[in-house]
Amino acid sequence: GAVVSQHPSRVICKSGTSVKIECRSLDFQATTMFWYRQFPKQSLMLMATSNEGSKATYEQGVEKDKFLINHASLTLSTLTVTSAHPEDSSFYICSASRPGQPQHFGDGTRLSIL
Amino acid sequence: DQQVKQNSPSLSVQEGRISILNCDYTNSMFDYFLWYKKYPAEGPTFLISISSIKDKNEDGRFTVFLNKSAKHLSLHIVPSQPGDSAVYFCAASAEFDNQGGKLIFGQGTELSVKP
Repeated sequence: GAVVSQHPSRVICKSGTSVKIECRSLDFQATTMFWYRQFPKQSLMLMATSNEGSKATYEQGVEKDKFLINHASLTLSTLTVTSAHPEDSSFYICSASRPGQPQHFGDGTRLSIL
Repeated sequence: DQQVKQNSPSLSVQEGRISILNCDYTNSMFDYFLWYKKYPAEGPTFLISISSIKDKNEDGRFTVFLNKSAKHLSLHIVPSQPGDSAVYFCAASAEFDNQGGKLIFGQGTELSVKP
């Protein structure tokens, strides 16, 4: 099946640090990548939709200057959490898709801001 | 406003018996529904899906049923196996054929299959 690699799997850093998370589709060209956030025992909440070569579309309530998304190629999207604070601590998951196919997910990144 | 709801946070089933996971939705524009399975510390894995033009889709031990009039879908696993123990997420899309479709997820149901 389709493989999506997400890196790093775990980040622990000090408040004020910017953190970059990478999402790669390893065996297919992903026209669209999605970024989600999940709080404990809750649903996956879509943060933004990213199409290769264009600006990301952010969901209501998600600060685009806080969560910078770059989708430079059909196999790579990055999410940068800028000047992270403890309230940004969460589980971030990316997914990749192509038209008419289900989204395939990475294994997520556990972000802990001290 | 929770457009996709999984009202049972957990379900426990004996090995060999049937597991039934339920999902309700409110948006009549949803035209595609998916089930994902998630183990701890891993991302969700696609399991099975159904288009709104169908009422049933079967894949091995997994069957998804869709009742559009009730805005309800269910996932049946039979026979259940201990390895099926995981969190199951229901997801819905209103634009699936367009660029893979934005998904709205339910809260998940944690299935535990006892040997």
